[in-house]
Amino acid sequence: AQSVTQLGSHVSVSEGALVLLRCNYSSSVPPYLFWYVQYPNQGLQLLLKYTSAATLVKGINGFEAEFKKSETSFHLTKPSAHMSDAAEYFCAVSERTGRRALTFGSGTRLQVQP
Amino acid sequence: DVKVTQSSRYLVKRTGEKVFLECVQDMDHENMFWYRQDPGLGLRLIYFSYDVKMKEKGDIPEGYSVSREKKERFSLILESASTNQTSMYLCASRPTGRGENQPQHFGDGTRLSIL
Repeated sequence: AQSVTQLGSHVSVSEGALVLLRCNYSSSVPPYLFWYVQYPNQGLQLLLKYTSAATLVKGINGFEAEFKKSETSFHLTKPSAHMSDAAEYFCAVSERTGRRALTFGSGTRLQVQP
Repeated sequence: DVKVTQSSRYLVKRTGEKVFLECVQDMDHENMFWYRQDPGLGLRLIYFSYDVKMKEKGDIPEGYSVSREKKERFSLILESASTNQTSMYLCASRPTGRGENQPQHFGDGTRLSIL
């Protein structure tokens, strides 16, 4: 069974600073990979997805993620944090065969300080 | 844009009640999912359906059942609600066959409290 680990349940950065949210997966075959964001009292919104066409994936709101097979990682970054980035972020994986349901990490709450 | 609509944003029920959570999607997606979200645990899959009248258990199906009589609607049923089912419930849908890593689209969630 695959699993997803997000290091750090809470991350705090200053406005304008680099955002780095970590995600590692365990799977014998590289899965499909996604990052979702959840703003307060809302559902999940897709930030970006790994397509296997390129290891560096660009998403919405200036976020990007790099797939590193050797490290089984899919970390999310943004060069300069904005106050509006404060939210909870979820990394998720889906098997390439079988039921293809998502397995989520436990989430990282990003706080942006003025 | 895909629209996944959950019938209630907030719901309060009593222990032992039978509870229905409704989800409707407007994009003709074959696959629909129910998750519950709890702090520190992320989202966990309860049930999913890949076609009308088809369903499969997820990781935490105990105490729940589902119904999918029409393609656009997927209902989650708490047969006899208990306090440990107090949670945020999220519905999602995804198409099949239009690309191998189609993302799931989520509703806004139902925050259910069982008293």
